[in-house]
Amino acid sequence: EVQLVESGGGLVKPGGSLRLSCAASGFTFSSYSMNWVRQAPGKGLEWVSSISSSSSYIYYADSVKGRFTISRDNAKNSLYLQMNSLRAEDTAVYYCARDNFAPSYGDYDWFDPWGQGTLVTVSS
Amino acid sequence: DIQMTQSPSSLSASVGDRVTITCRASQSISSYLNWYQQKPGKAPKLLIYAASSLQSGVPSRFSGSGSGTDFTLTISSLQPEDFATYYCQQSYSTPATFGQGTRLEIK
Repeated sequence: EVQLVESGGGLVKPGGSLRLSCAASGFTFSSYSMNWVRQAPGKGLEWVSSISSSSSYIYYADSVKGRFTISRDNAKNSLYLQMNSLRAEDTAVYYCARDNFAPSYGDYDWFDPWGQGTLVTVSS
Repeated sequence: DIQMTQSPSSLSASVGDRVTITCRASQSISSYLNWYQQKPGKAPKLLIYAASSLQSGVPSRFSGSGSGTDFTLTISSLQPEDFATYYCQQSYSTPATFGQGTRLEIK
């Protein structure tokens, strides 16, 4: 079974740091790009960051650029998000999601599956 | 960034109804459009990819159409388990962007 399990969320003070992890299983992790997507309480979905299969290509949303760092360890089937200089507006459930594709669909891609999410609360 | 706008933002419907949700992109995205369903407290679930392809395991009452800037998600006959929030998402360019969501409620 393809599965993603996030961990590392919690309560942190403004300006603090937190490192999220996402453990992947049931598929060849090293063959897929991965993403972090967040959802503030009662709000919609916001893409945060993505990393290619070999870590060659990394992208960030403007809202987190310079504060968050995405990384992965293919030997450990794990994805990470280092979050520094956290702000109240970073409070959200953070999901990891696989960047899925199908050879017959060219460069079309989509997020599937998603992990269950981990809650990050930034508050004093 | 490409802006995605869904309409309506909320919708009340009854079991058995046919429902259509619209998603509009701020520029042409060809068919790089995906649809997700999210239930309270749960992760989003992929329904439709590449505008009209049904994800494996998703009931055939769900369908997607459109290309360019205008897209629709249709549920042909609402079932009780379909009451949820639906999001469109463009994968044409980075950053990936989502619509604001459409909350489908029981009438």
